[in-house]
Amino acid sequence: NAGVTQTPKFRVLKTGQSMTLLCAQDMNHEYMYWYRQDPGMGLRLIHYSVGEGTTAKGEVPDGYNVSRLKKQNFLLGLESAAPSQTSVYFCASRPHPGQGSAKNIQYFGAGTRLSVL
Amino acid sequence: AQKVTQAQTEISVVEKEDVTLDCVYETRDTTYYLFWYKQPPSGELVFLIRRNSFDEQNEISGRYSWNFQKSTSSFNFTITASQVVDSAVYFCALSEDGGSNYKLTFGKGTLLTVNP
Repeated sequence: NAGVTQTPKFRVLKTGQSMTLLCAQDMNHEYMYWYRQDPGMGLRLIHYSVGEGTTAKGEVPDGYNVSRLKKQNFLLGLESAAPSQTSVYFCASRPHPGQGSAKNIQYFGAGTRLSVL
Repeated sequence: AQKVTQAQTEISVVEKEDVTLDCVYETRDTTYYLFWYKQPPSGELVFLIRRNSFDEQNEISGRYSWNFQKSTSSFNFTITASQVVDSAVYFCALSEDGGSNYKLTFGKGTLLTVNP
């Protein structure tokens, strides 16, 4: 039972490079989220999706784009990486409120540690 | 806007001591959910508990207990007889029901170190 899988686990980028972080969930969840975690800041929401084909901005969306072409996947893109985007990125998913017994709980991936030099 | 405050940045205790992690929240919604997550040194986020705003019963699970008080907007977490394996960052989080996106707002976390 894989749950939420994030790829890659680690990455080092140079300023200006682009990359895509992949999040895949096998729980048939409707909602998916991308957070970033910085020292002393807790987790902050970047973007989220309430269903296939839909995305919306969170608290800190600048410099990121997302896509949800398939229900099970949620991609986070950095078009031109900056040192300020050095962080640990977490993906999470949760079921629709009417779906399943574990509603209202977000399940997290293991995180992606990104360094931008 | 919703907000979660964990005033304790770091706590250090000796094994077998009891320790309480504080969490204070702000929300305008009448229906909301409160959570605690644990982040051990390995980095993953582990769900511990969820509480909804209509259920103020305290809960005990083994050495863990949670005290939810709406009157003071607090959802505190106590570990009894702490162990070295309890060393982790603990996050309190809030999810409002009225926004329809169910996003989590996290506190900044409390780093708990349990020394042998």
